Amino acid sequence: SAVISQKPSRDICQRGTSLTIQCQVDSQVTMMFWYRQQPGQSLTLIATANQGSEATYESGFVIDKFPISRPNLTFSTLTVSNMSPEDSSIYLCSVEAVGGTGGEQFFGPGTRLTVL
Amino acid sequence: GNSVTQMEGPVTLSEEAFLTINCTYTATGYPSLFWYVQYPGEGLQLLLKATKADDKGSNKGFEATYRKETTSFHLEKGSVQVSDSAVYFCALQGGATNKLIFGTGTLLAVQP
Repeated sequence: SAVISQKPSRDICQRGTSLTIQCQVDSQVTMMFWYRQQPGQSLTLIATANQGSEATYESGFVIDKFPISRPNLTFSTLTVSNMSPEDSSIYLCSVEAVGGTGGEQFFGPGTRLTVL
Repeated sequence: GNSVTQMEGPVTLSEEAFLTINCTYTATGYPSLFWYVQYPGEGLQLLLKATKADDKGSNKGFEATYRKETTSFHLEKGSVQVSDSAVYFCALQGGATNKLIFGTGTLLAVQP
């Protein structure tokens, strides 16, 4: 298994500002995933982050709004830029289980973001 | 594209009641199927999985059988406990990517 921590656990931000969320894993992993969970909704994949390459974004998500860094095999950041109240969500990072089929992922505890 | 549909909640049960949470899927090929659970204030955890037709995944008294003929993966437990109160997500993974597709989640509330 993998232990994943996220910082901050929650934040309240003003419209137009940006927030960077950190994700730290206790082991080296190839792929890291960032998800958004809007209130009352399911999880939606934002992007997949591989170390040493540009993140791959899902339809509806763009790098200018959600820039991602992946400087090494245990760490990644997601920035939510120029925030609006519609960005209020829980943001989660996850990693694949070693030897898994790809659907087995370990999730961090999430960052609860409220934009005023 | 691939998709997952699960029953809406909340589902409210008394302790020791039988639980069923329905999940059906649409996918090309032969996806792997998963149930994830999110306890209050915690991140998602994998509960069980099945990777091919007729497989039964089981964990912590929960079971789900991969039914290709009905494209379903219903979650069941014979006797729920208060500690089972959580949100349950059905998910699938298939095709050329490792992307997980989640259902909308079902809130289970178990009362003593």
